[in-house]
Amino acid sequence: GAGVSQTPSNKVTEKGKYVELRCDPISGHTALYWYRQSLGQGPEFLIYFQGTGAADDSGLPNDRFFAVRPEGSVSTLKIQRTERGDSAVYLCASSESGTWGETQYFGPGTRLLVL
Amino acid sequence: KQEVTQIPAALSVPEGENLVLNCSFTDSAIYNLQWFRQDPGKGLTSLLLIQSSQREQTSGRLNASLDKSSGRSTLYIAASQPGDSATYLCAVRDNYGQNFVFGPGTRLSVLP
Repeated sequence: GAGVSQTPSNKVTEKGKYVELRCDPISGHTALYWYRQSLGQGPEFLIYFQGTGAADDSGLPNDRFFAVRPEGSVSTLKIQRTERGDSAVYLCASSESGTWGETQYFGPGTRLLVL
Repeated sequence: KQEVTQIPAALSVPEGENLVLNCSFTDSAIYNLQWFRQDPGKGLTSLLLIQSSQREQTSGRLNASLDKSSGRSTLYIAASQPGDSATYLCAVRDNYGQNFVFGPGTRLSVLP
């Protein structure tokens, strides 16, 4: 079956612009996660959705970052007033129900470059 | 705060060698630990998931062990192949949140 997909695969923007990154989880998965991976580092947690609601947004670095999942499937990560330090790979993952011990399935990521 | 480290940062071996990748975590109150593989420009592929009550998991040429009390896990790769070349990431899920805490990865190159 189809895995987690993310669009766009690459995004180049200028400092100060607004960007949206999209994640399509595996069909039927209720849990969705966003991570950010800087060059040479492991992914860092940003936010976790259970259904439509953000169950844990403790990883969002500041109020320029926001994510939504209005219908409990597709999620959009929104970054306002982008800064060069926001350049990274943004990874999305989903799991079936979000219960403890489940495997998370990752998408290929969106590579964001802020000039 | 949970911190995960991995050594070595990079490893280059000739084809056919057996090798061990190491992962350490600071808080032993983990729920599970997972090893992932990441190819350049690609997402993460799950390799092995070890629950906190388990000591090891095996899949093909891969074997992962977990010593929760000492905060360590190892990934053993037998008879390495050039196709094993990738970055290997260790991630722990603790008892306090649903997200993974990742290590920085070990970049493996298997030379033909």
